[in-house]
Amino acid sequence: SQQGEEDPQALSIQEGENATMNCSYKTSINNLQWYRQNSGRGLVHLILIRSNEREKHSGRLRVTLDTSKKSSSLLITASRAADTASYFCATPRNNNAGNMLTFGGGTRLMVKP
Amino acid sequence: KAGVTQTPRYLIKTRGQQVTLSCSPISGHRSVSWYQQTPGQGLQFLFEYFSETQRNKGNFPGRFSGRQFSNSRSEMNVSTLELGDSALYLCASSLAARLTGELFFGEGSRLTVL
Repeated sequence: SQQGEEDPQALSIQEGENATMNCSYKTSINNLQWYRQNSGRGLVHLILIRSNEREKHSGRLRVTLDTSKKSSSLLITASRAADTASYFCATPRNNNAGNMLTFGGGTRLMVKP
Repeated sequence: KAGVTQTPRYLIKTRGQQVTLSCSPISGHRSVSWYQQTPGQGLQFLFEYFSETQRNKGNFPGRFSGRQFSNSRSEMNVSTLELGDSALYLCASSLAARLTGELFFGEGSRLTVL
């Protein structure tokens, strides 16, 4: 079963607009990660936020984490056509028990030029 | 520094056959994990190896197996292939013994079962 559920499943915006994706999870976590996947390719790590952090920035990315609501959001500002990809949130399957991640269903983002 | 390398990138098999996929992690990474990605089930964890030992296993039948060699390279094997095994198989490596950081993924091996 998937730990994280993402919303929306698909998002289409114009270049220059902001894109917001949300992720909800079920169990307590010590960190949450976001990954990006271009069509049919491997996943690329974007950002990791720890459970004691509420917000984190990396370039045009802003991630928030609300552990009380078991939710996270990824904001991509000033989007570009090259941002077109699927975005996944991921949480450790079993905290401190190895490198296993449970992925959400992903948000397919299309940025139109 | 070379990334995670998976071979083969594409392969076609028929039902009942078996397949072996290979993964070479980033140099120095001792943790290697495997994931299956399908349109219906999404990304699902298969298993993880660390220092040649399987540490964790997902909910897959025994037809799915793997191993890790002393140089950290890993292989996974699927026996008696079924149509539903058609998927993108992703390998990921990590420097850390536990999930304190990111996983580095390869480009995947796309398996089609006919």
